Amino acid sequence: GENVEQHPSTLSVQEGDSAVIKCTYSDSASNYFPWYKQELGKRPQLIIDIRSNVGEKKDQRIAVTLNKTAKHFSLHITETQPEDSAVYFCAASPPGGGNKLTFGTGTQLKVEL
Amino acid sequence: AAGVIQSPRHLIKEKRETATLKCYPIPRHDTVYWYQQGPGQDPQFLISFYEKMQSDKGSIPDRFSAQQFSDYHSELNMSSLELGDSALYFCASSVRASKETQYFGPGTRLLVL
Repeated sequence: GENVEQHPSTLSVQEGDSAVIKCTYSDSASNYFPWYKQELGKRPQLIIDIRSNVGEKKDQRIAVTLNKTAKHFSLHITETQPEDSAVYFCAASPPGGGNKLTFGTGTQLKVEL
Repeated sequence: AAGVIQSPRHLIKEKRETATLKCYPIPRHDTVYWYQQGPGQDPQFLISFYEKMQSDKGSIPDRFSAQQFSDYHSELNMSSLELGDSALYFCASSVRASKETQYFGPGTRLLVL
């Protein structure tokens, strides 16, 4: 089955700096890669996603890049703000009827004033 | 906008008891997924349903069962509860046509004593 690795496990940045989180996946058939933000005790919230026919997608301060050949994808957050502090999970989904998500182990992002 | 509804939000049970978790998907969403998230862990896929049929199965213990009803809501039944079942249980829903985009409910926090 799919295996997703995520790095770093913790990331501390100064407000206004950029943050980058990287993930690799094992199943070359995976074709959908969402990113979720989760605050303590709350639900994972979809912040951006990318499909395998696209190399990059941007939504305001958030962007995701995908390298299918290397089987890795990254989340980029620019101009970080304290409210960006949370755990971020990447995930991968293979094609097929189930569409289950396999998550990475998460990155605890802390944006310091 | 309407979101995924889960009930109950909190549940305390004793070992060997049973529990039933309910999930009401976003209106017009026809696919439901269940995930289990232990403390400090990433969400682990348990099971999914589409049109009342099981569409995929993950690391769901044999003590657990689930089903989807004609109104698309789903129930996760957990029997012979163990201490290790203590976790956050999330339900997510999606539209089959856009397969992968899953939106998570607020979760049910289960504590087994």
